Amino acid sequence: GIQVEQSPPDLILQEGANSTLRCNFSDSVNNLQWFHQNPWGQLINLFYIPSGTKQNGRLSATTVATERYSLLYISSSQTTDSGVYFCAPNTGGFKTIFGAGTRLFVKA
Amino acid sequence: NAGVTQTPKFRVLKTGQSMTLLCAQDMNHEYMYWYRQDPGMGLRLIHYSVGEGTTAKGEVPDGYNVSRLKKQNFLLGLESAAPSQTSVYFCASRPSLRANYGYTFGSGTRLTVV
Repeated sequence: GIQVEQSPPDLILQEGANSTLRCNFSDSVNNLQWFHQNPWGQLINLFYIPSGTKQNGRLSATTVATERYSLLYISSSQTTDSGVYFCAPNTGGFKTIFGAGTRLFVKA
Repeated sequence: NAGVTQTPKFRVLKTGQSMTLLCAQDMNHEYMYWYRQDPGMGLRLIHYSVGEGTTAKGEVPDGYNVSRLKKQNFLLGLESAAPSQTSVYFCASRPSLRANYGYTFGSGTRLTVV
């Protein structure tokens, strides 16, 4: 099955800093999602991005399906951005595979 | 508010006991999923359903059973709980595969098997 690798595994930022999270996947994908899991465990869908670039406020995501990677940009980070970010590609059908995540901590 | 509701939120079981986790969604979504999340890991798919009366196995189905008798409900059962099933369980739903948006998750059920 598809392999998903997220980097870095852990990231500590000072509030206001920018960061880029990367997701590499080993197979062609039909779609890809980015999720944020907050420190209380709630999972929030950030982006549904099979290809191209999308922006939502301080967050943006780019997926280059032909090169099998996706990037999540966080600009002007805030303490509320802390948590775990998951990349979840889907290769078709009903199964979506989650990466192990990038754990982000933003210091005030 | 519309969304996905999981009950219970916490549960402690003894090895060999059985229980059922309930997932309810009020968004008329077709597809529903059960995932488990273990420390330091992403989510792994246990079972899923593509509509009322249908279920299918995911990545880690052993030891679990599911039922979807009504479109809005997706039940996850543990017939004989084992310590290896200690985990956080998440339910999710989505309207269709063609929809240009993804999953809505419940808030999770933290299960401990002793």
